[in-house]
Amino acid sequence: LAKTTQPISMDSYEGQEVNITCSHNNIATNDYITWYQQFPSQGPRFIIQGYKTKVTNEVASLFIPADRKSSTLSLPRVSLSDTAVYYCLVGGMDTGRRALTFGSGTRLQVQP
Amino acid sequence: DTGVSQNPRHKITKRGQNVTFRCDPISEHNRLYWYRQTLGQGPEFLTYFQNEAQLEKSRLLSDRFSAERPKGSFSTLEIQRTEQGDSAMYLCASSSDPLGVLHYEQYFGPGTRLTVT
Repeated sequence: LAKTTQPISMDSYEGQEVNITCSHNNIATNDYITWYQQFPSQGPRFIIQGYKTKVTNEVASLFIPADRKSSTLSLPRVSLSDTAVYYCLVGGMDTGRRALTFGSGTRLQVQP
Repeated sequence: DTGVSQNPRHKITKRGQNVTFRCDPISEHNRLYWYRQTLGQGPEFLTYFQNEAQLEKSRLLSDRFSAERPKGSFSTLEIQRTEQGDSAMYLCASSSDPLGVLHYEQYFGPGTRLTVT
């Protein structure tokens, strides 16, 4: 199974840009990269998904270099409400289970 | 509310008892997933359905666990002869595949917290 590696935790302050990097050296050709956010006592919430280069939506950007062995979730101008756990998942059409492996995630703490 | 719903939200049971959880997915979603999450860990995949067909099962899903999705609508997850190690949050999610990407954006329910005493 493709394995992802993320920092265990990160700290930031309100208004700063936060970049969380995920390593996935064994990513397969058909794999997509998906990020979820989870607050305590809630189910995860989809943030963004991408295959290559850059994807942007209303809440985040996802940067994927050409070799696709890593990806970076960028959260612009974080607020206290962005304090959560962020998960990087890798997988796609060929082996469904890899797309469903959450790992331990990155705990982001945003301070005033 | 058109999100994913799960019932009950909390369940306390004694070891050895059977429990059943229900998940109602978003109505137009053809895929439904079950996960288990323990404190401090990410969700662990248990099983997934495409319509009424159960397509994948994790090794975590022992013989005591069974899931069904009759008619491709709601799903139930049953745990027989519960053990203390089964105490966890059980999450359900649903998705569709508008781009043909397997396991596209999953919408999660609030979960059922199981405590086995």
